[in-house]
Amino acid sequence: EVQLLESGGGLVQPGGSQRLSCAASGFSFSTHHMTWVRQAPGKGLEWVSIISGNGGITHYADSAKGRFSVSRDNSKNTLYLQMNSLRAEDTAVYYCAKTWVSGGYCFDYWGQGTLVTVSS
Amino acid sequence: QSALTQPASVSGSPGQSITISCTGTSSDVGAYNYVSWYQQHPGKAPKLMIYNVSNRPSGVSNRFSGSKSGNTASLTISGLQAEDEADYYCNSYTSSSTSVFGAGTKVTVL
Repeated sequence: EVQLLESGGGLVQPGGSQRLSCAASGFSFSTHHMTWVRQAPGKGLEWVSIISGNGGITHYADSAKGRFSVSRDNSKNTLYLQMNSLRAEDTAVYYCAKTWVSGGYCFDYWGQGTLVTVSS
Repeated sequence: QSALTQPASVSGSPGQSITISCTGTSSDVGAYNYVSWYQQHPGKAPKLMIYNVSNRPSGVSNRFSGSKSGNTASLTISGLQAEDEADYYCNSYTSSSTSVFGAGTKVTVL
């Protein structure tokens, strides 16, 4: 059974940093792209970033470029999102999602999310 | 990139069919058959319902179907049931190798 468990959320001050983790199990982690998606309170889903299975390819939404960095440790089956220079508008539930890109493109499994609150 | 355009809300009575549209551009929806749809109940994680425009993952009811014409994709729910009441989001791969979601549609079962 595929399981994704996010952690690392919490309250952070504007301008601060936070690192999110996503522990994966139940599938071959190193051979799958992984994606971060966020959802501000009461708002819709926003795609944030994607990383390839070996970590060599990454892409970011304009809102994350230059401030967020996605990485992975395939030996630990763990995905990360390093977030710097955080702003109030980064307040959201952050989901990690297993991403299928072989002959298609979709997010087939999701974690339950971790809430990041940026506030003084 | 701008969110894909979806109606804010759609409603229907039990047993009826409803359709949710998702309009993008020639750089996303119109460029690839990589449109997917997600169902999200309050306080829950999204769930994949349709991928590659019209394919259903194992376990998803065949009451859910997808299609695409030009820059607009659609999700149809037939035989509407109370459990279908949720938010629905479309997503498309883009020519920038990124991805974009729709703004979301709230489905209400009357």
